[in-house]
Amino acid sequence: KAGVTQTPRYLIKTRGQQVTLSCSPISGHRSVSWYQQTPGQGLQFLFEYFSETQRNKGNFPGRFSGRQFSNSRSEMNVSTLELGDSALYLCASSLDRGLGYTFGSGTRLTVV
Amino acid sequence: KNQVEQSPQSLIILEGKNCTLQCNYTVSPFSNLRWYKQDTGRGPVSLTIMTFSENTKSNGRYTATLDADTKQSSLHITASQLSDSASYICVVSAGISGGYNKLIFGAGTRLAVHP
Repeated sequence: KAGVTQTPRYLIKTRGQQVTLSCSPISGHRSVSWYQQTPGQGLQFLFEYFSETQRNKGNFPGRFSGRQFSNSRSEMNVSTLELGDSALYLCASSLDRGLGYTFGSGTRLTVV
Repeated sequence: KNQVEQSPQSLIILEGKNCTLQCNYTVSPFSNLRWYKQDTGRGPVSLTIMTFSENTKSNGRYTATLDADTKQSSLHITASQLSDSASYICVVSAGISGGYNKLIFGAGTRLAVHP
C-alpha cells in the first residue's frame, strides 16, 4: 500500500515568486491536511480538506491557499514568497476527519 | 487555551540506555493522544495512539503511558539504539463540533543516542 506522496521533495525559489506543492494521499483517504514545520515554530497547521472542501484553516496569511481534487489529491500554493516561508511542508492524510493521520516525507522549500 | 508541552527539549543518552520523554497537555475536549517519531528531513511516523480509556500502549521498544486525570503522557524507550536518534512529537487531538478533531502539536523532544 503506497504511503502519502509529496512532490517535489526539494524546491528553491526566489522571493516574490509563487510555488505549488502537491500531495497524493493514501488510496481511499479523503482527508488531507497541510502543515508548516520550521525549527523555531515546530509544526503549525495550515489547513485541512475533506471531500474537496476546506474544513479548517490555521492562522496563516492569505498568500497560503490550497485545494483538493475529486481524487483526493491536494495542492498547496504560496504566492509572493518571503524568506520566512522557508520550511518543511508536510501533508497528512486520513480516512476521515480526526482519524489516524499518515504523514508524507514533506517538501523542503528554500526561499532565497 | 489548548496547549501541549514536552520535556526535555533535548536529550543525549548512550546506546543501550533507557529514557523517558514527557508530555503535558491542557486540551479540551480530549479525544486522543499520539506520539510520533520524526527523523531529520522526513515526515513524522506514528508510534502510538491512545484514547481516554487507555493507560498504556506499546510498540516494540516504545511504551507510551497516559494519565487522563493529570493530563500527562510519557514515552519510554527501552534499550536505545542509534536509530532512535530523532525528534519525538506529542500530538493531542481535541474533538470539536461537526465530528472534526483539531490537532495540537508539542514542540518535540530531540533525542540523540550516542555509541
